[in-house]
Amino acid sequence: AQTVTQSQPEMSVQEAETVTLSCTYDTSENNYYLFWYKQPPSRQMILVIRQEAYKQQNATENRFSVNFQKAAKSFSLKISDSQLGDTAMYFCAFMKHSNYQLIWGAGTKLIIKP
Amino acid sequence: DVKVTQSSRYLVKRTGEKVFLECVQDMDHENMFWYRQDPGLGLRLIYFSYDVKMKEKGDIPEGYSVSREKKERFSLILESASTNQTSMYLCASSDPSSGVAKNIQYFGAGTRLSVL
Repeated sequence: AQTVTQSQPEMSVQEAETVTLSCTYDTSENNYYLFWYKQPPSRQMILVIRQEAYKQQNATENRFSVNFQKAAKSFSLKISDSQLGDTAMYFCAFMKHSNYQLIWGAGTKLIIKP
Repeated sequence: DVKVTQSSRYLVKRTGEKVFLECVQDMDHENMFWYRQDPGLGLRLIYFSYDVKMKEKGDIPEGYSVSREKKERFSLILESASTNQTSMYLCASSDPSSGVAKNIQYFGAGTRLSVL
């Protein structure tokens, strides 16, 4: 069975700093998707970034980028120039290519301090 | 923009009551999901539906049932609510077809259910 591990329950950084959130996963699949979702306080869960396992190039979305290491089964999220609005719970998730269901990590609570 | 609407943000029920949580999406998505979110456990899938009247059990279906009579609506039912079902419930939908939005799940705001 697939598992997703986020080893950092909580992190805090100063505004404008760069922060990296860790995620590792365990699977025997070769084709899959990886996601980072963000859940701001009292607001809806939204997608931050998505990576397809067959793509070697790391995905980027503005200030958000990933470091995808397929052999190491690692999928970290880097937030550059962090902003107060980045304060949220961040969840890493895995999806098999043949399946629509997400396997979720426990989440990392990120606090951006002014 | 995709909109997923959950009928209640907060709900307080008594032990043994039958509870209905409703979810409606406006993007004609085929897939709909019900999750339970508890601190330190992430999101756990309760049930999944890939078409009208079709459903599959997720990781924690015990004590829950679902109904999908129309494509846009997916209901979660707690047959006899218990205190250990106090939690945040999230509904999501996704489009499994090709395109940039493939398999991205879109979420509702959540329903925080307290069972007393």
